[in-house]
Amino acid sequence: ETGVTQTPRHLVMGMTNKKSLKCEQHLGHNAMYWYKQSAKKPLELMFVYSLEERVENNSVPSRFSPECPNSSHLFLHLHTLQPEDSALYLCASSQDLLGYSSGSSYEQYFGPGTRLTVT
Amino acid sequence: AQTVTQSQPEMSVQEAETVTLSCTYDTSESDYYLFWYKQPPSRQMILVIRQEAYKQQNATENRFSVNFQKAAKSFSLKISDSQLGDAAMYFCAYRSADMGQLTFGSGTQLTVLP
Repeated sequence: ETGVTQTPRHLVMGMTNKKSLKCEQHLGHNAMYWYKQSAKKPLELMFVYSLEERVENNSVPSRFSPECPNSSHLFLHLHTLQPEDSALYLCASSQDLLGYSSGSSYEQYFGPGTRLTVT
Repeated sequence: AQTVTQSQPEMSVQEAETVTLSCTYDTSESDYYLFWYKQPPSRQMILVIRQEAYKQQNATENRFSVNFQKAAKSFSLKISDSQLGDAAMYFCAYRSADMGQLTFGSGTQLTVLP
């Protein structure tokens, strides 16, 4: 496998279920991200991890719980979700979080996403 | 906070023709990066082109080029010789030099007509 992979690709869950989304990057990157993409809304950054430490949490409800056990893996644990949480969840990674040297744009590479439906 | 605006929700272009997608952004920073991403129906977000703000020369990647106007805070994408495979949602994105996360625009849905 190369690039960024996400599993599952599709998930349907009830509001009382607990599930987890998995992201794995095979690029040797140090930073990983979770984004939420809802219909007719710009992508929203949810969480940022750098070297397995969370550095950003954009006021995400506690029913979303991220976990980064190592620099290659990122999880998003879901529990007691609401129907409005139905969306495409995208994982991304970049070489590093900050562009310390000029010329390092540290572009983000995205996974294919998990389409989540909450019933 | 930075904002990115894409004022064209939808655009269409005839195959083999040229189309330009608009993007403006608001920032008080002088050092930053700009990107165009493409999201086809598969939903995979694919990097199309990037521009460093400190570079005056516009970036080019094959049929894709940008018109970067730093003073006007404008970053448009030109697609030449459009192909059916170019049909997708295109997102403009901003990244500060000091912060890793991307700020995205709302996207432009491009249709390529045969």
